[in-house]
Parts: sequence; C-alpha cells; structure tokens
Amino acid sequence: GENVEQHPSTLSVQEGDSAVIKCTYSDSASNYFPWYKQELGKGPQLIIDIRSNVGEKKDQRIAVTLNKTAKHFSLHITETQPEDSAVYFCAARINDMRFGAGTRLTVKP
Amino acid sequence: DAGITQSPRHKVTETGTPVTLRCHQTENHRYMYWYRQDPGHGLRLIHYSYGVKDTDKGEVSDGYSVSRSKTEDFLLTLESATSSQTSVYFCAIGPGLAGANEQFFGPGTRLTVL
Repeated sequence: GENVEQHPSTLSVQEGDSAVIKCTYSDSASNYFPWYKQELGKGPQLIIDIRSNVGEKKDQRIAVTLNKTAKHFSLHITETQPEDSAVYFCAARINDMRFGAGTRLTVKP
Repeated sequence: DAGITQSPRHKVTETGTPVTLRCHQTENHRYMYWYRQDPGHGLRLIHYSYGVKDTDKGEVSDGYSVSRSKTEDFLLTLESATSSQTSVYFCAIGPGLAGANEQFFGPGTRLTVL
C-alpha cells in the first residue's frame, strides 16, 4: 500500500519567518494530497489540498507544491504567526488516505 | 468540526471489556471513517463505511468491528479491549463523490485500556 514519509518531525521558527514541511509518497497512482492542522485536544482540520493534475495551490499565507515525478509535496507557510503553532499532517490518497507521522511546528514570538 | 460529534470524548476501561464509540454526523455525507492516532504513526484507518450497512476494513482493522444502521451514525466496537488499543480515535466524514476526496474530522475520543 501507499507509504507517506514526512519531515521534519519538529520545526521551530521565529515569528514572521517561513516554514516548510515536506512529504514523500510511494505510489505514483496517488491523486489527492491534503494537509491537516491539528491543535492540542482537537481533531485534524483540513487547511489546503492539491490534486495530481495541479502543481501548486495557494491560499493566503499557505501554499502547497506537488512534484509528481519525484513523488513529493510540500507545505509552505509564510509570515508565520504564533497561532500557526500546531501539528501538521500530510496525506496521500488512492483509495484509502495514508498519513504522514506529523510535524510539530512551533512559532516563537 | 464540520457537523461531527463523537461520544464519549474520554473513556477509561479495563482489559477484556467491550467498548463502543459513536460517531454522529449532520452533513448527510455518504462516507464515514474511523481512525486511530498514536505517536509516531499519524492517523491510521481502522474501518470505513460507504453507505448504510456497507463497510470495509482499513489498514489496522484487527480487534475492531463497525456498524452503520443509519446514514448519520457510525459505531466502532472493541469486542474485548486490550492495552494496545489505548489511543485517540477519530471519526471522519466525506462526500465520496467523484473528484471530491475531502475528509473532515471529529473532535476525537481518548480511550485508555488498563
């Protein structure tokens, strides 16, 4: 089945800096790549997603890029704010959704 | 949380006892999912449903069963709980329409098996 690896496991940045989280997937048939943000004690919240026929998607300070040839996709957060601190999960889907292990992002004021 | 509730939110039980977790949605989505979340593993699919009485296994289904008798409710049962099933359980829903792959998660249930 699909295997998703996510790096780094922890990331600490200064407020205002950019943060980048990277994921790789194993099955070239995967066609949907969402990113979730999970705050402490809450369920994961979908923040952005991309489909395999698109290379990049932006939503305000958040962007996702997809490289199908290399089978990797990345989440970019610009102008980070303390409220961006959370655990972020990537996922890849053919039929089932397979998740990365998560990245704990800390934004220092 | 996209019209999804889970009950109970917290439960402590003993090894060998049966446990049922409930997921309720108000979005009328066709697909419902049960995941478990453990440190270092992200979220792993246990079972999912693609309609009333239609269910299938996920990646980590051993020791779990599910039932869906109504569109809005999806139950997860641990027939005889073990300590390895201590985890946080999340329900998710999705429209399941062609080209619509989104899944939306509930608030989670923290289960501790002693």
